[in-house]
Amino acid sequence: KQEVTQIPAALSVPEGENLVLNCSFTDSAIYNLQWFRQDPGKGLTSLLLIQSSQREQTSGRLNASLDKSSGRSTLYIAASQPGDSATYLCAVSDFGNEKLTFGTGTRLTIIP
Amino acid sequence: NAGVTQTPKFRVLKTGQSMTLLCAQDMNHEYMYWYRQDPGMGLRLIHYSVGEGTTAKGEVPDGYNVSRLKKQNFLLGLESAAPSQTSVYFCASSLAPGAPQPQHFGDGTRLSIL
Repeated sequence: KQEVTQIPAALSVPEGENLVLNCSFTDSAIYNLQWFRQDPGKGLTSLLLIQSSQREQTSGRLNASLDKSSGRSTLYIAASQPGDSATYLCAVSDFGNEKLTFGTGTRLTIIP
Repeated sequence: NAGVTQTPKFRVLKTGQSMTLLCAQDMNHEYMYWYRQDPGMGLRLIHYSVGEGTTAKGEVPDGYNVSRLKKQNFLLGLESAAPSQTSVYFCASSLAPGAPQPQHFGDGTRLSIL
């Protein structure tokens, strides 16, 4: 059974710093890995999707990497802003993208 | 541009009551999903559908039923609500596989069972 772990559960950093969020998974036979953002009381917003054949994806200040062999992914946020404060969730899908297995998330707070 | 819409947003039920949660998407997506989110547990898949008229069990299907009579709608039913079903329920949709696409989520239904 696939298990996804995100450590730490919470992180606070001063505005302007670069930061890295971590995600690990136990079964390397994944179809893709997705990073989501969740604001309080809201649903999830997809940030980046990395296919199993890819090593990284970039969108603006966000960069996600994938190392299938070690079962790890990182989400790098450059020049953090208070608006980046949210919970970030990592999820991996089995073949066909039918099912996502989620981590429990990292709650990020950017201190002005 | 509505995306995924969930109805209702909040609901309080008594143990043993029944209700149906409605999910509607306007993106012509083939796949639809129901998840529940509990503190410390992450999101867990309840049921999903790969197309109109199809449904399949996810990780935690017990106590729930679903129907996908129309492509744009996915209904989640609780026949006899239990306190353990107190949770936040999220619906999501995605295109069929072939080209990996992210799942699009609704804003959730907050359900309390007393």
